[in-house]
Amino acid sequence: DAGITQSPRHKVTETGTPVTLRCHQTENHRYMYWYRQDPGHGLRLIHYSYGVKDTDKGEVSDGYSVSRSKTEDFLLTLESATSSQTSVYFCAIRGGADTQYFGPGTRLTVL
Amino acid sequence: TQLLEQSPQFLSIQEGENLTVYCNSSSVFSSLQWYRQEPGEGPVLLVTVVTGGEVKKLKRLTFQFGDARKDSSLHITAAQTGDTGLYLCAGEAGGTSYGKLTFGQGTILTVHP
Repeated sequence: DAGITQSPRHKVTETGTPVTLRCHQTENHRYMYWYRQDPGHGLRLIHYSYGVKDTDKGEVSDGYSVSRSKTEDFLLTLESATSSQTSVYFCAIRGGADTQYFGPGTRLTVL
Repeated sequence: TQLLEQSPQFLSIQEGENLTVYCNSSSVFSSLQWYRQEPGEGPVLLVTVVTGGEVKKLKRLTFQFGDARKDSSLHITAAQTGDTGLYLCAGEAGGTSYGKLTFGQGTILTVHP
């Protein structure tokens, strides 16, 4: 257990609504990541952070933004949710060289 | 963009059989990680291989990293029903990649009693 929590765990929202997902870690890790998981695609990187206020885009960043104002929290925001953003979202931290630990995930449904 | 092709996508076998999952790329990775994921949970790291030609064993699971560090395989001997789950490979490019991972599509393994 790498001390990662995600909230909410489940969310149903409507198209066009803003949504924020939260990832919280208790072990002061520098690197944090947001992935989405869809059938047939494995996990795809949305955004990542390499320090407080230091973030960058991953391979599927369109429609998403992130913020990291404290080491322990990494927020993912969908400014205007679309049905194509229905997915399971995972947060991860880099625990050491060549290791990542994942949170329990957030299942998001956009109607 | 680096890609990882994982095969097969689905695997359905009987308890006691052996199986191999493959992960292939045209890109070189500094390390290759294998994860297992249960329904409703996040992926859990099984092993990381970092040296070309490296072989690691975890009980009945054997992981191999290709000599050129472009491919990897997971072999399970005498599969058990408890091995059922989603297996994912993931490669890290290294250098200034900040630990970013590229995942394969995953292999859904079902082991029947």
